[in-house]
Amino acid sequence: EDKVVQSPLSLVVHEGDTVTLNCSYEVTNFRSLLWYKQEKKAPTFLFMLTSSGIEKKSGRLSSILDKKELSSILNITATQTGDSAIYLCARPAHGSSNTGKLIFGQGTTLQVKP
Amino acid sequence: DGGITQSPKYLFRKEGQNVTLSCEQNLNHDAMYWYRQDPGQGLRLIYYSQIVNDFQKGDIAEGYSVSREKKESFPLTVTSAQKNPTAFYLCASSSGLAGFKETQYFGPGTRLLVL
Repeated sequence: EDKVVQSPLSLVVHEGDTVTLNCSYEVTNFRSLLWYKQEKKAPTFLFMLTSSGIEKKSGRLSSILDKKELSSILNITATQTGDSAIYLCARPAHGSSNTGKLIFGQGTTLQVKP
Repeated sequence: DGGITQSPKYLFRKEGQNVTLSCEQNLNHDAMYWYRQDPGQGLRLIYYSQIVNDFQKGDIAEGYSVSREKKESFPLTVTSAQKNPTAFYLCASSSGLAGFKETQYFGPGTRLLVL
């Protein structure tokens, strides 16, 4: 089945904590996996992962793909209140080589308390 | 400034009424998409269009209609057949095949509420 599953669905931490968000997918015909951050309105792009084991990093955020485990993690170190958001994971739909369709997970809602 | 605009920000629909949500982009992107977001359900694809004058149904197209007469514009109509339209609607665009070499870029969204 063409599905993306994120965990946990929600998370509350305090500033300075490190968090790990998970994303798993069920189709082995893999192209890429994308992470987005949604604060209040438009999701903004964070990372696109295509190769297993290669970490992508942007400031305190990093992400890595494990094709063997059909999963990806998003790490946020030294969290700040500005990291509070919904984090969305997505991948191209199966058979989407000519459509560009993405399948999104349910999202993880992160709340960082001061 | 390049980007995607959506209007209105909030929209109220009366029972039996059709309403149209606007989405415009000046990124010169070929592909455009409409998603619906409900709490705890992520984004679900309603319709998408890869090129002008062509569009395809997504996973939850029933009760919705679209048109793509211009490259820049992809309006979504929520018809009276959509029985549970209260949601946050997001429009997105991409220059090519999203998830292959390109990502999708999102507009700020329209929140639709039923009176």
